[in-house]
Amino acid sequence: NAGVMQNPRHLVRRRGQEARLRCSPMKGHSHVYWYRQLPEEGLKFMVYLQKENIIDESGMPKERFSAEFPKEGPSILRIQQVVRGDSAAYFCASSLFEPLGQETQYFGPGTRLLVL
Amino acid sequence: KQEVTQIPAALSVPEGENLVLNCSFTDSAIYNLQWFRQDPGKGLTSLLLIQSSQREQTSGRLNASLDKSSGRSTLYIAASQPGDSATYLCAVTHVSGGSYIPTFGRGTSLIVHP
Repeated sequence: NAGVMQNPRHLVRRRGQEARLRCSPMKGHSHVYWYRQLPEEGLKFMVYLQKENIIDESGMPKERFSAEFPKEGPSILRIQQVVRGDSAAYFCASSLFEPLGQETQYFGPGTRLLVL
Repeated sequence: KQEVTQIPAALSVPEGENLVLNCSFTDSAIYNLQWFRQDPGKGLTSLLLIQSSQREQTSGRLNASLDKSSGRSTLYIAASQPGDSATYLCAVTHVSGGSYIPTFGRGTSLIVHP
């Protein structure tokens, strides 16, 4: 059983471009969290999704950021018109049951976004 | 707003020492507390999960305790090894609007030298 997979592992974008980050949860998991880790800071919650539903997006910036978890395929975190401050490591985690807090989260290796 | 603080921020010890990493949180109404390990350039690996009704959890050389009333948790590592070198993160989960939101500390960076 493969773990949580994220791609790409590294992504370089110029200011104003779009960044698409993908997360494939562990097999059978239908709950996905996205986190952002800025340099020298802790992980910050961004959004919690179930299949075809956004459950909690209170940690995600209101502008330029969006997330989806379609019925088929990976979860996507999309950042439009990237700025240098978006440079960070973005982690995805998945779990089998709801609520997520009841059990261990399984984390992917992260996508490191660099905005030039 | 929940705040999680980890002390010390960094620690360097010789192999074989017993270690204590500290985590404190401001809001004691938590659902659970989890300790993770993060290796450079990698994702997080869960080490121990303590539910709010529990006092401690043990796994091998690791022992984590939880004191909700004082807002503290400690991770005890016995007989440290160079392979234990990593960043250790504490995450506190609380309920917000029906969903369970984890708040992470900034971590303790541990180096165990031979």
